[in-house]
Amino acid sequence: DSGVTQTPKHLITATGQRVTLRCSPRSGDLSVYWYQQSLDQGLQFLIQYYNGEERAKGNILERFSAQQFPDLHSELNLSSLELGDSALYFCASSVDIPDTQYFGPGTRLTVL
Amino acid sequence: GENVEQHPSTLSVQEGDSAVIKCTYSDSASNYFPWYKQELGKRPQLIIDIRSNVGEKKDQRIAVTLNKTAKHFSLHITETQPEDSAVYFCAAHKPFGNEKLTFGTGTRLTIIP
Repeated sequence: DSGVTQTPKHLITATGQRVTLRCSPRSGDLSVYWYQQSLDQGLQFLIQYYNGEERAKGNILERFSAQQFPDLHSELNLSSLELGDSALYFCASSVDIPDTQYFGPGTRLTVL
Repeated sequence: GENVEQHPSTLSVQEGDSAVIKCTYSDSASNYFPWYKQELGKRPQLIIDIRSNVGEKKDQRIAVTLNKTAKHFSLHITETQPEDSAVYFCAAHKPFGNEKLTFGTGTRLTIIP
């Protein structure tokens, strides 16, 4: 157990819908990262927050957005979902940048 | 931006032998290089990392070497065991500006008993 929690574990939804994934970082970690991992693929970096502010952006689609709240938890919002958005979404956290990133268990999103 | 290439994509090794996975990075400003192990259906877990001011780091059967001049770093696993079977990802962190960790494409390591 890394100390990073993610909810929900599984999510099944339909195309065109909107979902919110939630992440709570380890106690004391200020930085939160979101990654997308499609079947048998690598880890695609989406976005990073540090102490509430956006710090780095990867190839995140315009349909996706995220934020980090004052209590440091983060949410990833995915809208107008497409079949290709089906993937494992991981959240990770770290104390500082750069530093060891601890990954949560992931949310498996299935878009039907 | 940073680009990380990882080889090989698959590797099969007899139990007890050594395994080596290599990564190259493009941006000489990158200064932090972690390696993650991901078992099927599970989260990536850090197994070892190295910073740019160090050339080699070892932790029991696992070692990482860094060649800053050539911009490559390698993971070495000695005396491999069946539980070493997993996908391994290297990564490089580029500081300043759009700081992020760029991952390699992964190596599926299979240990043959």
